[in-house]
Amino acid sequence: EAQVTQNPRYLITVTGKKLTVTCSQNMNHEYMSWYRQDPGLGLRQIYYSMNVEVTDKGDVPEGYKVSRKEKRNFPLILESPSPNQTSLYFCASRRQGGGNTEAFFGQGTRLTVV
Amino acid sequence: QQQVKQSPQSLIVQKGGISIINCAYENTAFDYFPWYQQFPGKGPALLIAIRPDVSEKKEGRFTISFNKSAKQFSLHIMDSQPGDSATYFCAASMANAGKSTFGDGTTLTVKP
Repeated sequence: EAQVTQNPRYLITVTGKKLTVTCSQNMNHEYMSWYRQDPGLGLRQIYYSMNVEVTDKGDVPEGYKVSRKEKRNFPLILESPSPNQTSLYFCASRRQGGGNTEAFFGQGTRLTVV
Repeated sequence: QQQVKQSPQSLIVQKGGISIINCAYENTAFDYFPWYQQFPGKGPALLIAIRPDVSEKKEGRFTISFNKSAKQFSLHIMDSQPGDSATYFCAASMANAGKSTFGDGTTLTVKP
């Protein structure tokens, strides 16, 4: 089954404690992206990757890091989480030639930073 | 600066009615305009998308209308059903670029 898998689904952490949210896709997609979703603000793009070792900032990259060492994985790293990073996070992937949009989203990771 | 504005924020429609959600964009470099549907507890799922060289695209009960000169596009859901109750997002992006910009979302409720 084609899917984008995020882990964990739920996470409660404390301010300043480094964390990683993993994202993996099994569709051999070149393009992957991270979003955060906040009430009334829609989805805002954090980082995206056009291919292995190629990453770039989205609209709200501050406080986040990403890496793309393998095609299937695109982890989101919060080096020093703060309460304003409490949000619902989504990973997405698509083929490079599959229209310029995200075709597949993960189930989401709900992060709470206290 | 919000590059994609979506309205209304919420919408209530009777079963069998037409649901209409509107989006307006600012950046004329955008050249791909998708709509996503999201159910509670799930990630968004691509519903239908359009490129600016087409004024309308229809897939089943869902239609996108696109007005390039006005920089607006809309989603029409014909014969709306309770199962269509969800949050809908419009988005805009540029060919060969990685950035995507989303509207704030519309919560649709279809009453039986």
